[in-house]
Amino acid sequence: IAGITQAPTSQILAAGRRMTLRCTQDMRHNAMYWYRQDLGLGLRLIHYSNTAGTTGKGEVPDGYSVSRANTDDFPLTLASAVPSQTSVYFCASSEVMAEDNEQFFGPGTRLTVL
Amino acid sequence: GQNIDQPTEMTATEGAIVQINCTYQTSGFNGLFWYQQHAGEAPTFLSYNVLDGLEEKGRFSSFLSRSKGYSYLLLKELQMKDSASYLCAVLDSNYQLIWGAGTKLIIKP
Repeated sequence: IAGITQAPTSQILAAGRRMTLRCTQDMRHNAMYWYRQDLGLGLRLIHYSNTAGTTGKGEVPDGYSVSRANTDDFPLTLASAVPSQTSVYFCASSEVMAEDNEQFFGPGTRLTVL
Repeated sequence: GQNIDQPTEMTATEGAIVQINCTYQTSGFNGLFWYQQHAGEAPTFLSYNVLDGLEEKGRFSSFLSRSKGYSYLLLKELQMKDSASYLCAVLDSNYQLIWGAGTKLIIKP
């Protein structure tokens, strides 16, 4: 593993189903983030984690949950998917949540909810 | 509310220079980032400005004026591979990035 990986690459999901998007980084970064990217809109922060064991809500947290049991993994769960959650989901990490800390992004998961 | 504005799309010619503008209104300011995103790929870091002025990095330069809430990304000697979306993002008082919708840059031969 080098950098950040996400799984699956893409997924088609029936509305009402539960889904977990996986994210793993090997850079020992403390901070991790989940964004969604929709056409015509900027990246929007769903949830973040400053360090293992802590999480926080971003701009659009409703319908999503996260956990940070260790430094490397930051899964995002949709408890009961709805069509408005159709989007491209990016996981990112940075050394810390502070100035000039660039975020490194995973390749993204394209999710379609029908 | 928080707002980042940048043009939706720009077109330029290979070998030329293009300037992509970004204006922002955010709750606090801890720096401004520019990222590049090729179609279907993840964003990648280009530059970071926290003080007023111009930062030059090869063919790319980024400028910041905090008093005007304004930044631009300058791309010189354009190459076809520069065709991508360019995302402006501001780090707010909570150290969260607020993102613009991105500017799609089309390079023509």
